Amino acid sequence: DIQMTQSPSSLSASVGDRVTITCRASQGIRSDLGWFQHKPGKAPKRLIYAASTLQSGVPSRFSGSGSGTEFTLTIGSLQPEDFATYYCLQHNSYPFTFGGGTKVEIK
Amino acid sequence: EVQLVESGGALVQPGGSLRLSCSASGFIFSSYWMSWVRQAPGKGLEWVANTNQDGSVKYYVDSVKGRFTISRENAKNSLYLQINSLRAEDTAVYYCAIGGHIDYCGQGTPVTVSS
Repeated sequence: DIQMTQSPSSLSASVGDRVTITCRASQGIRSDLGWFQHKPGKAPKRLIYAASTLQSGVPSRFSGSGSGTEFTLTIGSLQPEDFATYYCLQHNSYPFTFGGGTKVEIK
Repeated sequence: EVQLVESGGALVQPGGSLRLSCSASGFIFSSYWMSWVRQAPGKGLEWVANTNQDGSVKYYVDSVKGRFTISRENAKNSLYLQINSLRAEDTAVYYCAIGGHIDYCGQGTPVTVSS
């Protein structure tokens, strides 16, 4: 199985900060990766697909980059509604696997 | 408007069975792969299973193989997850999702396995 190592597991940031989250795959997965935002009691929401393509309706402050084994999600200017847990998901090979998550909290 | 509404979650004893349902609307259900994802209490998201447009291809995470069965009824715009031999570690909120790569998720249905 492909392991997705996500870092950091949590971070504290202020409104307006630039935030970067990283996922590393245990083997190359091309660009077969998505990024998700999950808030308690809500449905997980995909933000980015194919590693760098913004999902329709998602604010442009979210961006993704990377291919192969290293991927990054960047929030350009953190907004109050962005405090949540973020996950990467590889869909290059079965079983698909999520990263462990990054909880973004208010500083 | 795209909608996915899960149902069927319950409190079940270990070893029991449950059938989760997902009612879809707002898109052409028969044209999409469909998936199930879950989140155990205090844990991260876990991909569970997916199936192709006509239900002839199915994939599962190893921990549920032989116990869970994903299926669909395109005439009813519905996705199902039959869960047998339930274990405490199956306790989670189960989300239905459009697409093989989790394009869009429903609100989830909770399953609790406890005696």
